[in-house]
Amino acid sequence: EDKVVQSPLSLVVHEGDTVTLNCSYEVTNFRSLLWYKQEKKAPTFLFMLTSSGIEKKSGRLSSILDKKELSSILNITATQTGDSAIYLCAVEAGAGGTSYGKLTFGQGTILTVHP
Amino acid sequence: SQTIHQWPATLVQPVGSPLSLECTVEGTSNPNLYWYRQAAGRGLQLLFYSVGIGQISSEVPQNLSASRPQDRQFILSSKKLLLSDSGFYLCAWKPGRTYEQYFGPGTRLTVT
Repeated sequence: EDKVVQSPLSLVVHEGDTVTLNCSYEVTNFRSLLWYKQEKKAPTFLFMLTSSGIEKKSGRLSSILDKKELSSILNITATQTGDSAIYLCAVEAGAGGTSYGKLTFGQGTILTVHP
Repeated sequence: SQTIHQWPATLVQPVGSPLSLECTVEGTSNPNLYWYRQAAGRGLQLLFYSVGIGQISSEVPQNLSASRPQDRQFILSSKKLLLSDSGFYLCAWKPGRTYEQYFGPGTRLTVT
């Protein structure tokens, strides 16, 4: 059974701090790892990492995939109150097109940024 | 551009009553479609997915069922709700050749 674990489960920081969120996975036939941000309703897509794209960056957010350690980190620098959200990590796995895009999600990390 | 709709946004239903949640996608054709449930603001659990009209795969045994009567319409149903069916239900779609999924606004279901 595919498994995705995120840590920490919750994190409280002050504006301007840098945070690192972790995601580890145990899956058969890894295809991709995705990060989502969820504020009040729908998760919004942040990054996708694959074997051919192990590092992504957008503004203050960046993410790295470590295929040897079967893990990924999401870094947020100079945090703002608007970064407060649940950050979800998900993995797609499956061989030869049999995954059908199914994602296994971690429990999420609840990030709270105080002013 | 593509958009995904879900309704209703919130629903309160008594135990034993039926359920029907609807999801539609606009601006695309033949998407993969997914139903997830999220409990207590944590991770998402995949319930059903569909790769085409009438093709439904279930991921977990449960009190729910899904149908895809049209290419861009995905329906989640139950004949008799249980208290444990309470949660936040999210529909998602995926373009055929990409990895990322895009989520609808969700339906918050409370079974009383």
